[in-house]
Amino acid sequence: EVQLVESGGGLIQPGGSLRLSCAASGFTVTNNYMSWVRQAPGKGLEWVSVIYTDDSTSYADSVKGRFIISRDNSKNTMYLQVNSLRAEDTAVYYCAKHEYGDYEHFDYWGQGTLVTVSS
Amino acid sequence: SYELTQPPSVSVSPGQTASITCSGDKLGDKYAYWYQQKPGQSPVRVIFQDTKRPSGIPDRISGSNSGNTATLTISGTQAMDEADYYCQAWDRGLWVFGGGTKLTVL
Repeated sequence: EVQLVESGGGLIQPGGSLRLSCAASGFTVTNNYMSWVRQAPGKGLEWVSVIYTDDSTSYADSVKGRFIISRDNSKNTMYLQVNSLRAEDTAVYYCAKHEYGDYEHFDYWGQGTLVTVSS
Repeated sequence: SYELTQPPSVSVSPGQTASITCSGDKLGDKYAYWYQQKPGQSPVRVIFQDTKRPSGIPDRISGSNSGNTATLTISGTQAMDEADYYCQAWDRGLWVFGGGTKLTVL
């Protein structure tokens, strides 16, 4: 059974940093595209970043240069280092697995971890 | 950048058919995907590749995509279908979501 469990969220001051984790089970992260998707309170879904099977990465313009996606194959875990945080980064951050063979969408989602940026 | 547009809300009476649209430039040339999100829960895929249903999704939920519009249709709507629904497409290396539609079952 595929499971994705996020952690690492919390209350952080503007300009601060956090590392979000997404522990996967039931599949191997290295064999799949993996993304982070966020949802601001009361708002819609926004794709944030993807890590491809060849370790290359891509980011939404809103986070480019501030966020870094990575993974640890030995732990079957994906990460999102979020730096220079702004109030508008306040959101629930979901990790999502792309369907193997159809990278254009997400077949499994985690439960999310809340990041609140506030002084 | 590519944009997908959804109506903010749709209302339907129990047992009736609800249709939620998603508009984007030449969306019919791409695949459309749909997710259901209930309050306090994570999104769940309900339609992929325009018309396909994952296992466990009832066959009263269906999708279509042509021209500039993709449509999610829920037949015989039940109270359990009340949720937010998001369309999604992939465009030139970016994953794009519509703004979401709140489906209310009156």
